[in-house]
Order: sequence, then structure tokens, then C-alpha cells
Amino acid sequence: AQKVTQAQTEISVVEKEDVTLDCVYETRDTTYYLFWYKQPPSGELVFLIRRNSFDEQNEISGRYSWNFQKSTSSFNFTITASQVVDSAVYFCALSGDAGGTSYGKLTFGQGTILTVHP
Amino acid sequence: DADVTQTPRNRITKTGKRIMLECSQTKGHDRMYWYRQDPGLGLQLIYYSFDVKDINKGEISDGYSVSRQAQAKFSLSLESAIPNQTALYFCATSATGNQPQHFGDGTRLSIL
Repeated sequence: AQKVTQAQTEISVVEKEDVTLDCVYETRDTTYYLFWYKQPPSGELVFLIRRNSFDEQNEISGRYSWNFQKSTSSFNFTITASQVVDSAVYFCALSGDAGGTSYGKLTFGQGTILTVHP
Repeated sequence: DADVTQTPRNRITKTGKRIMLECSQTKGHDRMYWYRQDPGLGLQLIYYSFDVKDINKGEISDGYSVSRQAQAKFSLSLESAIPNQTALYFCATSATGNQPQHFGDGTRLSIL
């Protein structure tokens, strides 16, 4: 069975601080996909990034960056120079590759509530 | 217009009532999903459908049923609603099993 753990339930920072959201996963699949989603106060779920297990390159998109480390089963998300608009719940999720029982089914972490104060 | 549309957006009902939540999509995706979100638990998969003739149970299917009326429509039913089914429900679609899932805006369901 797959499992995703986001140990940080809530994080509170002041605007312009950098913040890292942790995600640790468990899977028996040799190939899998990791995702981050954002849920702002309005409630919708917004896709942020997808990373496959055979590509360990880190990725940067504007103020967002993602650090994937297969050796520690982690896929952490960093927001640089946080802004009030970054306040949201952030979810990490995992799905398996074709041929496995978890193909196409997302397993979500519990979510991390990020509050950015002005 | 939204690519994935859920109706209703909010619903308050009583214990024992039959409820149907509807989801329609214009993305042309074969795969559709229903999730439930409870505070502190993330999202849990209720049912999923990889095409019109393929429907599968997820982690928490007890008390729920689904119908895939067409490629674009996937509805979730609570045959006899109970208070612990009070939650935020999301429909999602994806092109393939490893592509990102795209979510509707959610249905907030309260069962008294």
C-alpha cells in the first residue's frame, strides 16, 4: 500500500520568509509519480507540479522549487520570499505507474496549512 | 466555463435522504474520480472510472454508489445519507493514469 506523510500540520511565517513543506512517501512500485496541489481558502484544488520517479532533477518555477530525493523518499516543496497569496493548504500526492494496483489513483498526504502573515 | 463542473456546490440535507452529486467535464478525459475531503485527512478516493464501462471502488466506497452516464458525466450517490458523510466532495478527471488530475470546485455536503 502507498502512503504519503506530511508531518507539518500547520506552518506560520511572515511575508518574505522562505518556507519548506515536507513530504515523505512510501511505495513498493519501482516507477511512480509525485504531485503537489494547492488548496487556497476558496477551496478549489490547483495542480502545481508532477515529478516521475526516474527524474531526480530538482525543479524551479518562479518562487517555487521542488527537491526530489529518492534515497530518502522525500519530495519537498520550497516557497522563496513567501507572499500572503501563498496562504493555502498544500497537498503532496503519489500514484503508481501502469501495471501496478495504484496506477491512476492518487494517495494524498494530510496536507500542510500554510499561513503567511503580512 | 469550468472544465470540471460539480453540482450542487452546497447541499444541506437530513439523515436518511438520498443524495446525488453530479460531475461533468469538457476536457475529453476518459478517467474520472470522486474524492472526499475531511479536515486533517487529506483526500480519500471513493470511486474511480477509467472509461464508461469500467468502474472501480476506492478506499472508502461503503455507503456510496456511482454512475458513469457518459464519458463526460460521473455522478456520486449517497443512498441513505448519514451525518458522518458530511464532508467536501471533489470530482476529478485525468487524461491517463499518470497525468495530473484536474479537480472541480467541490461540493460541500452537510447531513443533519
